[in-house]
Amino acid sequence: AQSVTQLDSQVPVFEEAPVELRCNYSSSVSVYLFWYVQYPNQGLQLLLKYLSGSTLVKGINGFEAEFNKSQTSFHLRKPSVHISDTAEYFCAVRSDTGRRALTFGSGTRLQVQP
Amino acid sequence: DVKVTQSSRYLVKRTGEKVFLECVQDMDHENMFWYRQDPGLGLRLIYFSYDVKMKEKGDIPEGYSVSREKKERFSLILESASTNQTSMYLCASRDLSSSYEQYFGPGTRLTVT
Repeated sequence: AQSVTQLDSQVPVFEEAPVELRCNYSSSVSVYLFWYVQYPNQGLQLLLKYLSGSTLVKGINGFEAEFNKSQTSFHLRKPSVHISDTAEYFCAVRSDTGRRALTFGSGTRLQVQP
Repeated sequence: DVKVTQSSRYLVKRTGEKVFLECVQDMDHENMFWYRQDPGLGLRLIYFSYDVKMKEKGDIPEGYSVSREKKERFSLILESASTNQTSMYLCASRDLSSSYEQYFGPGTRLTVT
């Protein structure tokens, strides 16, 4: 069975500071990894995904994530955040066998302060 | 752009009522999903459908059923609503040819009193 752990439930940060949102997964097979963002009162929107190839993945809004197989991690980073990045961020995993749905982490609320 | 719509943004129902949540996607996607979102628990899969009239239970199917009579529409049914089903419900769809990416609707916030 696969699972996802987001280590921080809330991350407060000042505007223009860098940020890292942590995600670790467990799966015994090859995985596909995703980061989604949810702005207040909206559904989820895909930020970026890792399927194969380069371990550094670039997404929308200046976010990037690095797949680390040995650490089973997929941390999300942004070098300089804006107030508009305030949202909840979800990491998700899907293995290449078995269950077709994504397994989501519990979410990290990013609060960008002026 | 893929569009996934849900019939209501906010819904208030009484305990014991039968509740229907509707989801429609306009991109001819084969797979559709219903999730429940609760604070600190992330998204949990209730049911998914991999094709018309085909469904599989997710992690928390108890108290729910689903219906998929047409490819574009996936309904979640609460047979007898209870207060512990107060939550945000999110529908998603996925094209089999895409890279497992799911497209989400805006969500329905259901309150059961």
